Amino acid sequence: AQSVTQPDIHITVSEGASLELRCNYSYGATPYLFWYVQSPGQGLQLLLKYFSGDTLVQGIKGFEAEFKRSQSSFNLRKPSVHWSDAAEYFCAVGARGGGNKLTFGTGTQLKVEL
Amino acid sequence: KAGVTQTPRYLIKTRGQQVTLSCSPISGHRSVSWYQQTPGQGLQFLFEYFSETQRNKGNFPGRFSGRQFSNSRSEMNVSTLELGDSALYLCASSWGNPGANVLTFGAGSRLTVL
Repeated sequence: AQSVTQPDIHITVSEGASLELRCNYSYGATPYLFWYVQSPGQGLQLLLKYFSGDTLVQGIKGFEAEFKRSQSSFNLRKPSVHWSDAAEYFCAVGARGGGNKLTFGTGTQLKVEL
Repeated sequence: KAGVTQTPRYLIKTRGQQVTLSCSPISGHRSVSWYQQTPGQGLQFLFEYFSETQRNKGNFPGRFSGRQFSNSRSEMNVSTLELGDSALYLCASSWGNPGANVLTFGAGSRLTVL
């Protein structure tokens, strides 16, 4: 069975600083990988996804993520954080042939200092 | 294009009661998935439906059930509620046959069990 680890529960960055959120997965083959963001009282919004091909994927709101098979990682990055990026971020993995079932990490709460 | 609509948004029940939550997917989407989100267990997959058939089920007791109607709308039911069922229940829809389709989430139904 697949699993996802997000080692950082809380991260605080200053507005304008760069951001990297870590995600490590466990899966026997090449997985489907996702990053979602959740604002308080809201559902999940998809930031980006990796299915195959180019290992650097671009998403919405200026986010990008890089799939590194050798490290089983899919870290999320943004070069310059905005105060509106404060939210909880979830990494998720889906199994090929596993339908739409996603396994989520425990999330990283991002705080942005002005 | 309307998003995924979940009703009710908030509800309070007492132990032993049952509850039904509703989800209307994005128009044209035929697959619906349900997730439970709690502070302790995080986001966990409940089940998914496509063409009125349950295609996948998570590791939840039989008190949790669901169905999908011919118009793709879905309901989930929890019987004999327990305190631990207090959670945010998220519904997600996607357009096609389950299989790493991009999920669009609703805002959720927050259930409090007293």
